[in-house]
Amino acid sequence: NAGVTQTPKFQVLKTGQSMTLQCAQDMNHEYMSWYRQDPGMGLRLIHYSVGAGITDQGEVPNGYNVSRSTTEDFPLRLLSAAPSQTSVYFCASSYLRTASSYNEQFFGPGTRLTVL
Amino acid sequence: DQQVKQNSPSLSVQEGRISILNCDYTNSMFDYFLWYKKYPAEGPTFLISISSIKDKNEDGRFTVFLNKSAKHLSLHIVPSQPGDSAVYFCAASAENSGGSNYKLTFGKGTLLTVNP
Repeated sequence: NAGVTQTPKFQVLKTGQSMTLQCAQDMNHEYMSWYRQDPGMGLRLIHYSVGAGITDQGEVPNGYNVSRSTTEDFPLRLLSAAPSQTSVYFCASSYLRTASSYNEQFFGPGTRLTVL
Repeated sequence: DQQVKQNSPSLSVQEGRISILNCDYTNSMFDYFLWYKKYPAEGPTFLISISSIKDKNEDGRFTVFLNKSAKHLSLHIVPSQPGDSAVYFCAASAENSGGSNYKLTFGKGTLLTVNP
C-alpha cells in the first residue's frame, strides 16, 4: 500500500508557465483534496472531489484547475503560474463521511513549488 | 474570518512534562474535530479525533478534551518526548444539511518543541 503519492517533490517555474501536480492514492478513497500550506497560514483547501467526475472549489481555488477521471488520480493544474502560488502543496484522501462517523484524511508528502 | 484558531504559534516544554495545545473555533456547526501532526518536509499525519457528542478521547499519551460551550478543545501529551517535536494542526468538520461533509477547516498550527 503506497498510500497517497505526489509528484514531483520539488518544482521551480517561471511566471506564466503551466504545470500539473500529480496525486494518486491506492486506498480506493472516494474523497480527494488539494491544500496549500503557506507560512503562518495553516492548510487551506484549494479544490476537492467526492468521486470520479465530481469536483468543487475550496477556499482558495483561483489560478488552479482540477479534474477527476478515475478514483485513484486527482491532478492539480496551474494554468499560468504566478509568484503568489509559491507554496507547499498537499494532496489528501479519505473515505466519505457517514452520518455517524468521520474518516480521517491521509496526506501525501507534498510538492514544494517555487514560482520566479 | 478564521473559523479555527490556534493562538499560540509555538510552545516549548521539557521532556517528561505535559504539553497542552489549545484550539478555539467559532462555527457552531462543527461536529468533529481532529489533530494532525506534521514533521518538516513531510505531509500531516492524523493523531487523534473527537466527536462533538463526547468531551474526552484518549489514545495512549494523547488526550483531546472538548468544551462545546466554550468552543474550545485542547490536546494533552503526557509525558512529552523529544520525538513529539512537530507542528500540530487542529482541524474541524461540519455536517451539512445533506447529511455529510468531508471538508476540513484547519488552524494555523502550533510548533511544539520538547527539550531533552
